[in-house]
Amino acid sequence: EAGVVQSPRYKIIEKKQPVAFWCNPISGHNTLYWYLQNLGQGPELLIRYENEEAVDDSQLPKDRFSAERLKGVDSTLKIQPAELGDSAVYLCASSFNDRDGELFFGEGSRLTVL
Amino acid sequence: KNEVEQSPQNLTAQEGEFITINCSYSVGISALHWLQQHPGGGIVSLFMLSSGKKKHGRLIATINIQEKHSSLHITASHPRDSAVYICAVIQDSNYQLIWGAGTKLIIKP
Repeated sequence: EAGVVQSPRYKIIEKKQPVAFWCNPISGHNTLYWYLQNLGQGPELLIRYENEEAVDDSQLPKDRFSAERLKGVDSTLKIQPAELGDSAVYLCASSFNDRDGELFFGEGSRLTVL
Repeated sequence: KNEVEQSPQNLTAQEGEFITINCSYSVGISALHWLQQHPGGGIVSLFMLSSGKKKHGRLIATINIQEKHSSLHITASHPRDSAVYICAVIQDSNYQLIWGAGTKLIIKP
């Protein structure tokens, strides 16, 4: 069975450009997380979905970041416009449920903003 | 005070040594995760615990719900075990995932 799939793996853009990341969780997983990870630091939650509902988006910088999970399956995270400080790895994770489901992470999308 | 505390922050040991990493938490939880991240690599789930003890190969994880404490043990450590080990708990009031700061483990040959 395929794991959590993310794309693109790498993206280089100039500041003020838009960028989008896509995540396909493991089939049947209701909970989906988007995290940001800077080099040498732990993951920081951006948003958590239960099916199509964003149950925790308190850490999402809503002026430039948006996310959607319209059918409760795959998800897209968008940044518009990107800033230099957005350079990081964007991680997607999924679990069967948010109460006690095992966590599975994608390989991440590494963003470089020039 | 952080809700999830890991110790030690950094650990260097010789190949073959028995390793223990500790995690203490201050909130009610529904489950606790131990995760591993190699340098430049992705995050991999090692264990998910809600009670007792789990073993996988050379790795053992235990949890004491009453004491709000979990340990990750590595037997016969190997240089390939060098990684950051992260404890994360699911808070039972809102199912928020709270991360520890991680323990950076280096195993020298």
